Amino acid sequence: EPEVTQTPSHQVTQMGQEVILRCVPISNHLYFYWYRQILGQKVEFLVSFYNNEISEKSEIFDDQFSVERPDGSNFTLKIRSTKLEDSAMYFCASTLGGGIRDTQYFGPGTRLTVL
Amino acid sequence: AQRVTQPEKLLSVFKGAPVELKCNYSYSGSPELFWYVQYSRQRLQLLLRHISRESIKGFTADLNKGETSFHLKKPFAQEEDSAMYYCALSQGSGTYKYIFGTGTRLKVLA
Repeated sequence: EPEVTQTPSHQVTQMGQEVILRCVPISNHLYFYWYRQILGQKVEFLVSFYNNEISEKSEIFDDQFSVERPDGSNFTLKIRSTKLEDSAMYFCASTLGGGIRDTQYFGPGTRLTVL
Repeated sequence: AQRVTQPEKLLSVFKGAPVELKCNYSYSGSPELFWYVQYSRQRLQLLLRHISRESIKGFTADLNKGETSFHLKKPFAQEEDSAMYYCALSQGSGTYKYIFGTGTRLKVLA
């Protein structure tokens, strides 16, 4: 069964550095999402992406964040200047369609640690 | 505001005992409700959704619009059910992003 993949599984970085988290959604899916989970807290929506555009973003997704689909397979989340509070688990998800009944399939996550 | 509440952080039951994981939501429209499960060191996986009204691994969940609840139930817990369970709501418009509860860790004791 096809799965969403994410790399790396764990990223350690220094505060102020740029990081890029990578995701490969399921190949025929069209809608892509990033979520994050700070340790001990709930999974929170960051951004949704469709047709090479951001379709919705949360308050968390400020100017330090950006997303891109650089080719036909990858979907990336970039944090330009990381802060300590960016330390979290970041999940990528994809769906085939954009409707309310479309199941989101999640990747295994990337644990980001900012020192 | 849209919200999903899972009041229990941890639920411990003995094998063979009934399980009920509580989920309440706050949403003014017609949401789609989901239960996702995360086994140790694995990804979030869809367990079930209210629209399909099916039973997966013996779990069921009924949407109660009057009580705005979507509790997850299983009559006889198994050790392999031990995992983190998240209730999620997909809003009925926009990008259908998920709003998650904080999750309940279920521990099934032998």
